[in-house]
Amino acid sequence: GNSVTQMEGPVTLSEEAFLTINCTYTATGYPSLFWYVQYPGEGLQLLLKATKADDKGSNKGFEATYRKETTSFHLEKGSVQVSDSAVYFCALTPNSGGYQKVTFGTGTKLQVIP
Amino acid sequence: DTAVSQTPKYLVTQMGNDKSIKCEQNLGHDTMYWYKQDSKKFLKIMFSYNNKELIINETVPNRFSPKSPDKAHLNLHINSLELGDSAVYFCASSPSVKGRDEQYFGPGTRLTVT
Repeated sequence: GNSVTQMEGPVTLSEEAFLTINCTYTATGYPSLFWYVQYPGEGLQLLLKATKADDKGSNKGFEATYRKETTSFHLEKGSVQVSDSAVYFCALTPNSGGYQKVTFGTGTKLQVIP
Repeated sequence: DTAVSQTPKYLVTQMGNDKSIKCEQNLGHDTMYWYKQDSKKFLKIMFSYNNKELIINETVPNRFSPKSPDKAHLNLHINSLELGDSAVYFCASSPSVKGRDEQYFGPGTRLTVT
């Protein structure tokens, strides 16, 4: 079956540090890949996505590139802010037809300190 | 306007009671979902409806029963509540069941069973 593996958190960084959150996946074919962010007390919201190999998703200074050869979709940001403190979820949906179910990773908590 | 709304936001109840959580989306989406998030932030899909038809029914106790009166609403009824049902329940919607579509989440309902 499909699976998503994220690095365990929590990740604690100082403001303006570089962020990488690793995500690798197992799926047949060419799934769509997503990063969702969950701020404290809120629901998840889409941060970025990529639907085919070598696509780069970007939003709010965050980026992730769909790497088919390494089955990865690592999230990066060059300079984090305190307001980026949240839980980040990597996710995939297969594109093999039929009803698609999202597979979420376990989430990585990011804490940015001033 | 809120895209995906849930009521109530907090629900505290005793073991053995029956309770319902309501969800509405005003995005015109065809597909709606219920997720359970535990204290470690792990997300588990419970149900999915497409145009009022149940399409995903994960291994969930029979005490949980979803109902979709129309494609804008998906409610969750829980009978004989147990301590282990304590969690945050998220409703979500997406334009269709296709893999490339992102999901839009509600703010969550925090259920506490005492």
